[in-house]
Amino acid sequence: GAGVSQSPSNKVTEKGKDVELRCDPISGHTALYWYRQSLGQGLEFLIYFQGNSAPDKSGLPSDRFSAERTGGSVSTLTIQRTQQEDSAVYLCASSPGRRGPNTGELFFGEGSRLTVL
Amino acid sequence: AQSVTQPDIHITVSEGASLELRCNYSYGATPYLFWYVQSPGQGLQLLLKYFSGDTLVQGIKGFEAEFKRSQSSFNLRKPSVHWSDAAEYFCAVGDFNGNTPLVFGKGTRLSVIA
Repeated sequence: GAGVSQSPSNKVTEKGKDVELRCDPISGHTALYWYRQSLGQGLEFLIYFQGNSAPDKSGLPSDRFSAERTGGSVSTLTIQRTQQEDSAVYLCASSPGRRGPNTGELFFGEGSRLTVL
Repeated sequence: AQSVTQPDIHITVSEGASLELRCNYSYGATPYLFWYVQSPGQGLQLLLKYFSGDTLVQGIKGFEAEFKRSQSSFNLRKPSVHWSDAAEYFCAVGDFNGNTPLVFGKGTRLSVIA
């Protein structure tokens, strides 16, 4: 597609349930990022995939959070045993990586708003 | 570790007035700097970026930013604000080689009054 696509756009779940959030990056982009945006907290880095390198997981807040990227394209962020503090907007972004005029620039999706009751 | 500070959480300006949003960064090498805007209910959009060359960079929607290495700053400016500029603005710093993820500031919310 033309842009970064995220699904679902909204997700309401009960505390303790697992959720999966999906990101479809711009075709050809080698880098993919997940950020979390909570009210008044800006963008909190979660995880970063760059090509075939091992992902940078340094931002994941707990072992309940995990992400994978299959075939260098689509990514899924999984939150297990959700807690109320996980409520936030989860943003995915892709980047063309290290070549071209858009080097380093992130292209963001619209986000997935997660509400944990 | 790299970091970004946006000292102003919320700024209110009158339509037609000038605007300056502050951004200070901490980064060990030559930084790659960005300003993004997030309008209500919309995704983040790139306003402008700096990597090298002229320290005054022009962006979309009439915005500009000036990189000042001596002050570790990358302030965003606009000479005349429009009501449609009301949004959240984020400054970010990164590594040109893409070896580390972009680090964002906490954002500055801009309100525009008539």
